[in-house]
Amino acid sequence: GNSVTQMEGPVTLSEEAFLTINCTYTATGYPSLFWYVQYPGEGLQLLLKATKADDKGSNKGFEATYRKETTSFHLEKGSVQVSDSAVYFCALSDRMASGSRLTFGEGTQLTVNP
Amino acid sequence: DTAVSQTPKYLVTQMGNDKSIKCEQNLGHDTMYWYKQDSKKFLKIMFSYNNKELIINETVPNRFSPKSPDKAHLNLHINSLELGDSAVYFCASSQLSLAETYNEQFFGPGTRLTVL
Repeated sequence: GNSVTQMEGPVTLSEEAFLTINCTYTATGYPSLFWYVQYPGEGLQLLLKATKADDKGSNKGFEATYRKETTSFHLEKGSVQVSDSAVYFCALSDRMASGSRLTFGEGTQLTVNP
Repeated sequence: DTAVSQTPKYLVTQMGNDKSIKCEQNLGHDTMYWYKQDSKKFLKIMFSYNNKELIINETVPNRFSPKSPDKAHLNLHINSLELGDSAVYFCASSQLSLAETYNEQFFGPGTRLTVL
């Protein structure tokens, strides 16, 4: 079956540091890949997405590139802010004729200190 | 505001009770989901309905029974609550489109269930 593996957290960084959160996946076919973010006490929000190999998703300074050869979708940001503190989830979409199922990684807690 | 809403936000109850969580979306979507997030933040799909029909039913105890009275609502009823049911339950919705390579899911704010 499909699975997503994220780097273990928690991750603690200083403001303006470089961020990488690793994500690798196992899937049949050609899934779409996502990063979701969950701020404290809130639901999940889609951060960025990529629907085919070599696509780069980007939003709010975050980027991730769909690498089929390494089955990876690592999240990066050049300079993190305190407001980026949240839990980040890598996910893939297993799309079926009757709907789509999201398979999530374990989540990575990011804390950014001033 | 257009959104996915859930009630209640918090639910504290005793073991053995029966409780329901409600979800409503006003995005005009035809597909709705329930996800469970455990204490380690791990998220797993439980159910999905498309046009009021059950299409995904993961390995979930039959004490959990989803009900979709219409396309905009998907409620989750839980019988005989157990300690292990304590979690955050998220509702989500999407619009199925076979022409698209993915169907973005929009999540509600979650319901934190605590079973004592």
